[in-house]
Amino acid sequence: GENVEQHPSTLSVQEGDSAVIKCTYSDSASNYFPWYKQELGKGPQLIIDIRSNVGEKKDQRIAVTLNKTAKHFSLHITETQPEDSAVYFCAASMNTGFQKLVFGTGTRLLVSP
Amino acid sequence: GAGVSQSPRYKVAKRGQDVALRCDPISGHVSLFWYQQALGQGPEFLTYFQNEAQLDKSGLPSDRFFAERPEGSVSTLKIQRTQQEDSAVYLCASSPGQKNQPQHFGDGTRLSIL
Repeated sequence: GENVEQHPSTLSVQEGDSAVIKCTYSDSASNYFPWYKQELGKGPQLIIDIRSNVGEKKDQRIAVTLNKTAKHFSLHITETQPEDSAVYFCAASMNTGFQKLVFGTGTRLLVSP
Repeated sequence: GAGVSQSPRYKVAKRGQDVALRCDPISGHVSLFWYQQALGQGPEFLTYFQNEAQLDKSGLPSDRFFAERPEGSVSTLKIQRTQQEDSAVYLCASSPGQKNQPQHFGDGTRLSIL
């Protein structure tokens, strides 16, 4: 089955810096890659997603890139703010009738003022 | 409400007791998912419903875990004869059902087994 690895496990940046989180997946049939932000005591919140027919997608300060050949995808956050502090999860799924999301182990992002 | 609603938010039970966790998906969402999230880990898939049909239950850890969605809306995850290793956050997600539509999560039920 699919296996998703995520790095780093923790990331500390200064406000205004950029943050990059990287994930790799094992199954070349995976074709949908969402990113979720999870705050303490809350459920995961979708922040951006990308499908395998697209190499890059951007939404304001957040961007995701996908390299299908290398089977890795990355989340880029620019101009980080303290409210960006949270745990971020990448996930992958195959479109086999429904999305069975396989999650990475998470990255704890701390943005210091 | 506008989002996925789960109840209770917290549940404490003694080992051996049965528990039931409820999920109210976004209105009109065809697909419903249950995930288990251990402390410090990512969510892990448990089971999937399309309307009232349970199409995949491959992630359920044992036959003590049972899920249902009898009318294609509200879903209940039941755990019988709970054990300490069942302690986790149980997350419910729903999506419209079309291919590659995003899953929207509730805030989960934190289950603690004493």
